[in-house]
Amino acid sequence: GQQLNQSPQSMFIQEGEDVSMNCTSSSIFNTWLWYKQDPGEGPVLLIALYKAGELTSNGRLTAQFGITRKDSFLNISASIPSDVGIYFCAGEDYKLSFGAGTTVTVRA
Amino acid sequence: NAGVTQTPKFRILKIGQSMTLQCTQDMNHNYMYWYRQDPGMGLKLIYYSVGAGITDKGEVPNGYNVSRSTTEDFPLRLELAAPSQTSVYFCASVAGPAYNEQFFGPGTRLTVL
Repeated sequence: GQQLNQSPQSMFIQEGEDVSMNCTSSSIFNTWLWYKQDPGEGPVLLIALYKAGELTSNGRLTAQFGITRKDSFLNISASIPSDVGIYFCAGEDYKLSFGAGTTVTVRA
Repeated sequence: NAGVTQTPKFRILKIGQSMTLQCTQDMNHNYMYWYRQDPGMGLKLIYYSVGAGITDKGEVPNGYNVSRSTTEDFPLRLELAAPSQTSVYFCASVAGPAYNEQFFGPGTRLTVL
C-alpha cells in the first residue's frame, strides 16, 4: 500500500477550541476519506472527498482534498468532549491506504 | 439492518492453531474487505472481494485465506496461527466503488501465544 503521513500523531483539545490535522502522501489519490474510531469500535466514515480542491463539511467537521491530490486536511471547530478518539485519513487508488491516526484527547 | 457483524469479539489462539473469523453483512453490499490494525498503526488490507465468488489479495495476505460463496458472508481463515498475527481484525463492506456508504464491523481482537 501507499505510505500516508498523518500529523500530528496526537493532540490535546480544550472544549471550544478549533483543531486541525492533515495527511500527506508521495502518491496521487482519487479519493480522500476521514474516519473516527472510538475505543473498542470499528472506524466510522466522517467525510469522503472525491475531487481535487473539494471542501466538504459535516456539522463541525470540514475536510479538503488538496489541489495536488497528495494531501488532505480535517478541521474540527468548537471541540466538545465527545470529539475524543482516533482520526484516520485514507487515500484511495482502487484500494484504500490508511494513515497511522491522530489520537485526540481532552486537556485536563 | 444489523449492518456488519463479526464473530468472535475476542479470541486467544496457541501457535499453530487455526480459526475462522466470521463476517456477515445484511445490506446486500457487493464489496467486502478484511483489515488488520496493529497498535498505533493504520489499517492494512488483507483481502477483499468485489462480489460472490471473486476475491483478491490486499497488502498483507500472507498467512490468511478467504472465500466469498455468498454476498452476505466473507470469512477470513488463519491456518497456522503465529504471534505476528496478533492484531485487531476489521471487516468492512460498501455498496459500490464510492465510499460514502462504507460500514465497518466492531472488530475481532485476536491474540496468538
